[in-house]
Amino acid sequence: KQEVTQIPAALSVPEGENLVLNCSFTDSAIYNLQWFRQDPGKGLTSLLLIQSSQREQTSGRLNASLDKSSGRSTLYIAASQPGDSATYLCAVRLQMDSSYKLIFGSGTRLLVRP
Amino acid sequence: SQTIHQWPATLVQPVGSPLSLECTVEGTSNPNLYWYRQAAGRGLQLLFYSVGIGQISSEVPQNLSASRPQDWQFILSSKKLLLSDSGFYLCAWSSTPRVGDEAFFGQGTRLTVV
Repeated sequence: KQEVTQIPAALSVPEGENLVLNCSFTDSAIYNLQWFRQDPGKGLTSLLLIQSSQREQTSGRLNASLDKSSGRSTLYIAASQPGDSATYLCAVRLQMDSSYKLIFGSGTRLLVRP
Repeated sequence: SQTIHQWPATLVQPVGSPLSLECTVEGTSNPNLYWYRQAAGRGLQLLFYSVGIGQISSEVPQNLSASRPQDWQFILSSKKLLLSDSGFYLCAWSSTPRVGDEAFFGQGTRLTVV
C-alpha cells in the first residue's frame, strides 16, 4: 500500500529565507508527483507536476525535485515571502485498475513571518 | 479552458439528514473524477473515483455514496448524515488516458453536521 509522508508537519521561517519541504513515498512505481498549495478553507492549487521520468521542475521561486528510486521529493522555495504562508501538499499518482489515483501526504503548514 | 465547479461552498446539516454535493467539469470530455475528504488538521482521503458515466469505485466503506449521471457531473450523497461526516469535501478531475496530466481541484465544500 502506497503511503506518502511529509516532513516537517509545520514550519515557521522569517521572510527572505530559503526553505525545503520534504515528501517521501513507499512505492516507487508512481506515474508522477504533484505539489499543491492550500490556503485556509480553500481548495488546492497545483504548483508543480513532475513526471516519473523527470528529475526536477521549476516555476518562479519554486523548484521541485524527484528521486523516484529512493522515494523522495523536495520542494524548494527561494526567498520566502509572507504570501507563501499556506499548507503544502504532495501527491503521487498511481495506476489502479483503469484509473489513476492521487495519494496525498498530510501536508506541511508553512508560516513566513514578516 | 477547463473549469471545475463545486457547490455549495458551506453547508450545515443536522444528524440524520440527507446530503447531496455536486461537482461539474467544463471544457473536457471523459475526465477522471474524484471525491476527497479532508478532516480538520489531516490530509486528504480519497473517497470515490470515476472513470466514466455510471462507473464508481469506492476507496473506503462509509456512510457516503457517489454517482456519475453525466460525463461532466459527479455527485456525493448520503441518506443519513453522521457527526463523523463533517469535513472539507473536495472534487477533482484529471484527463484520461494521458496519465501524465495534472489533477485540478474545486474550491471545496465545508460540511458541518450538527
